Amino acid sequence: AQKVTQAQTEISVVEKEDVTLDCVYETRDTTYYLFWYKQPPSGELVFLIRRNSFDEQNEISGRYSWNFQKSTSSFNFTITASQVVDSAVYFCALSERGSGNTGKLIFGQGTTLQVKP
Amino acid sequence: KAGVTQTPRYLIKTRGQQVTLSCSPISGHRSVSWYQQTPGQGLQFLFEYFSETQRNKGNFPGRFSGRQFSNSRSEMNVSTLELGDSALYLCASSIDRGTQYFGPGTRLTVL
Repeated sequence: AQKVTQAQTEISVVEKEDVTLDCVYETRDTTYYLFWYKQPPSGELVFLIRRNSFDEQNEISGRYSWNFQKSTSSFNFTITASQVVDSAVYFCALSERGSGNTGKLIFGQGTTLQVKP
Repeated sequence: KAGVTQTPRYLIKTRGQQVTLSCSPISGHRSVSWYQQTPGQGLQFLFEYFSETQRNKGNFPGRFSGRQFSNSRSEMNVSTLELGDSALYLCASSIDRGTQYFGPGTRLTVL
């Protein structure tokens, strides 16, 4: 079964705090991609990162970092020194590479992050 | 490069009507996927088109259909609208099996 679980529905932090958004996935495919998208109030999904199932290296991009662990089927996202502009809904998504699964992203339910000044 | 564009941005229809939504992908992208987003069900995959062929389909009734043109532009159609079809419809494009880039969405309200 393919599934993405974001257990945190809402998180509220004060500006400059660090925050981690959790993502756990289930798949039988050995080859897959994992993604994080940000959805601000305007509604458009903004791509943040893609990770290949064969690449478990953690990645850092400015204040953003991602921790991919196949052993626990997790792909967590950390924002360091959060800012008010980080307030949005964040989605974790899975794309299986097996035949018949092209073009399909399986999304988690999303985590609403509110960063207060 | 221009991003994914969707028209119209907002739409109000009544039950029983039909609606057509349009999506223009990023230049050079041949794959277009459609998603429905509702508060209750979240983001759900509708279908994917590549080179004018439907390559994958989600679990939606036959009232939801789509097509893709030779210039990769895509349309989705919903016939016999129901109240539950009220949603944000998002279109995404990719080169092929790559990262999907989303448009701003069409917000459909069915009265």
